[in-house]
Amino acid sequence: GAVVSQHPSWVICKSGTSVKIECRSLDFQATTMFWYRQFPKQSLMLMATSNEGSKATYEQGVEKDKFLINHASLTLSTLTVTSAHPEDSSFYICSARLSRGQETQYFGPGTRLLVL
Amino acid sequence: GQNIDQPTEMTATEGAIVQINCTYQTSGFNGLFWYQQHAGEAPTFLSYNVLDGLEEKGRFSSFLSRSKGYSYLLLKELQMKDSASYLCAVMDSNYQLIWGAGTKLIIKP
Repeated sequence: GAVVSQHPSWVICKSGTSVKIECRSLDFQATTMFWYRQFPKQSLMLMATSNEGSKATYEQGVEKDKFLINHASLTLSTLTVTSAHPEDSSFYICSARLSRGQETQYFGPGTRLLVL
Repeated sequence: GQNIDQPTEMTATEGAIVQINCTYQTSGFNGLFWYQQHAGEAPTFLSYNVLDGLEEKGRFSSFLSRSKGYSYLLLKELQMKDSASYLCAVMDSNYQLIWGAGTKLIIKP
């Protein structure tokens, strides 16, 4: 149980285009989903926390207009990188948590984004 | 501020035992997690400690001392596939995960 999927696993795009990444909890309902970014040889950096049906909470320094997060259902959250630039190239990972009483976060396999 | 400290890199021999330490200073505490992350992959959950003491799970054990702000992950009978980064993360009073930078474990034959 507690399987999280992400799609796509790899994206290569031109600078200026928008990219949408989907995160799904396959066998449980996730009240909270998290979006992380990880640059090579660095630790995870939390970008935002999203609760189903409400606006995402962004971490300091993360542009909410650039990284659009939608959490329309208990099993799906999307991250859209708008007008992507080469510096946005990174490994984007989502995780999901069942509820406040279940603290463990289960991670998706990640999406590697390369912006040319 | 909030801080998680763990060694950057450790080397161990196949079949041996290794202990990866983690010390933390956070605003509140709602548990400590250990995750394993192989290169190029997402983290996978290893353990969760919220009470003091040792939790054993197969070859892996995790220990917590809340009074000392200290945890360790113990890996026994090391296998080559255990080569990975091991991430320590603490959940603070706001139920936010504070991540350590990770310890890269290199296993030599």
